[in-house]
Amino acid sequence: NAGVTQTPKFQVLKTGQSMTLQCAQDMNHEYMSWYRQDPGMGLRLIHYSVGAGITDQGEVPNGYNVSRSTTEDFPLRLLSAAPSQTSVYFCASSYSRRDTQYFGPGTRLTVL
Amino acid sequence: AQKITQTQPGMFVQEKEAVTLDCTYDTSDPSYGLFWYKQPSSGEMIFLIYQGSYDQQNATEGRYSLNFQKARKSANLVISASQLGDSAMYFCAMREGSFFNAGGTSYGKLTFGQGTILTVHP
Repeated sequence: NAGVTQTPKFQVLKTGQSMTLQCAQDMNHEYMSWYRQDPGMGLRLIHYSVGAGITDQGEVPNGYNVSRSTTEDFPLRLLSAAPSQTSVYFCASSYSRRDTQYFGPGTRLTVL
Repeated sequence: AQKITQTQPGMFVQEKEAVTLDCTYDTSDPSYGLFWYKQPSSGEMIFLIYQGSYDQQNATEGRYSLNFQKARKSANLVISASQLGDSAMYFCAMREGSFFNAGGTSYGKLTFGQGTILTVHP
């Protein structure tokens, strides 16, 4: 198993550009989530999904969209990048909501 | 309101000694789970240990143990026999709710503390 994979590892965007951060897992996990990590603020939940076709907002959803068309994939879309979205983004998954979440390697995003 | 508080921005320990990283939490939910993750300088998040609110005994995983004091709402991580490779950022996290009220929207979400940077000296 590859576990949780994320692409790209690094990305630089200009303000206003859009892009999609990819997240995939090959463990047949139902629960997937996106977090952002900012200095001094720990990790904050952006969006999560309890299964294919079901998504919901977390603590800081503004400026981001998600979809879950398959169990394996959970992409995060930045609609119009802003400097405030400069952060490290982590995708995580777990077999169900009651299980431990395992994290991908992260994507470091810089918005100029 | 801060649900997870890690009051130690940085901690130092001598190699082979034990160290305790503090974590306090706030919840009115009787069912919750507490997690510790390690983030080395390479950036990945590594799961270390889990404690359920109804677990009677403190969780242990190798050199890691969780000192769970429910009445004080604390879930401190104890690392015994520190190694140089333990130098990293450590995060405490909480999951509220229970499997039995899984229809609740909050169940499954993790709330993280701000982290503690641990430095192990040789």
